[in-house]
Amino acid sequence: EAQVTQNPRYLITVTGKKLTVTCSQNMNHEYMSWYRQDPGLGLRQIYYSMNVEVTDKGDVPEGYKVSRKEKRNFPLILESPSPNQTSLYFCASSLLGDEKLFFGSGTQLSVL
Amino acid sequence: QKEVEQNSGPLSVPEGAIASLNCTYSDRGSQSFFWYRQYSGKSPELIMSIYSNGDKEDGRFTAQLNKASQYVSLLIRDSQPSDSATYLCAVRNTDKLIFGTGTRLQVFP
Repeated sequence: EAQVTQNPRYLITVTGKKLTVTCSQNMNHEYMSWYRQDPGLGLRQIYYSMNVEVTDKGDVPEGYKVSRKEKRNFPLILESPSPNQTSLYFCASSLLGDEKLFFGSGTQLSVL
Repeated sequence: QKEVEQNSGPLSVPEGAIASLNCTYSDRGSQSFFWYRQYSGKSPELIMSIYSNGDKEDGRFTAQLNKASQYVSLLIRDSQPSDSATYLCAVRNTDKLIFGTGTRLQVFP
């Protein structure tokens, strides 16, 4: 089944404790992206990648890191999480030039 | 001014009625326009895309685009309770895809 898999689904952590949210897609998509969704602010792009070893900042990259060492994986790293990073996170992927984004099931992160 | 604006709702319509969802955007250079549906606790799912002025129909859904007025809308005919969700408008300009905050639709029996 074609899908974007995110883990974990829920995560509660404390300020400053490094964490990684994994994202993997099995559709051979070149394009992958991370979004955060907050009430009243909608979906905002954090980082995106057009291909392996190519990553770019989105609208809200501060406090986040990403890597794209393999085509299928695009982990989101929070080196020192803070409470303002409490949010619902989505990974998404698509073929380059294809408008349809496939979203993962989301990760609800709470930073205490 | 937000780049993509939607009324947050909720928009409440009776079953069988037409639901009309609206979206305005600020960048005149925008090229592609999308409607995503997001059920509560779920991820967004693309339901319609439109690229040129006019109407585009797909089953019970019709997307309408007016670039002169910078306005895109989604009509849902014969609304069903299963259509109850948040509808996100998204607008693309070159590499950038901007989402609106979404309109919550409630269809009551």
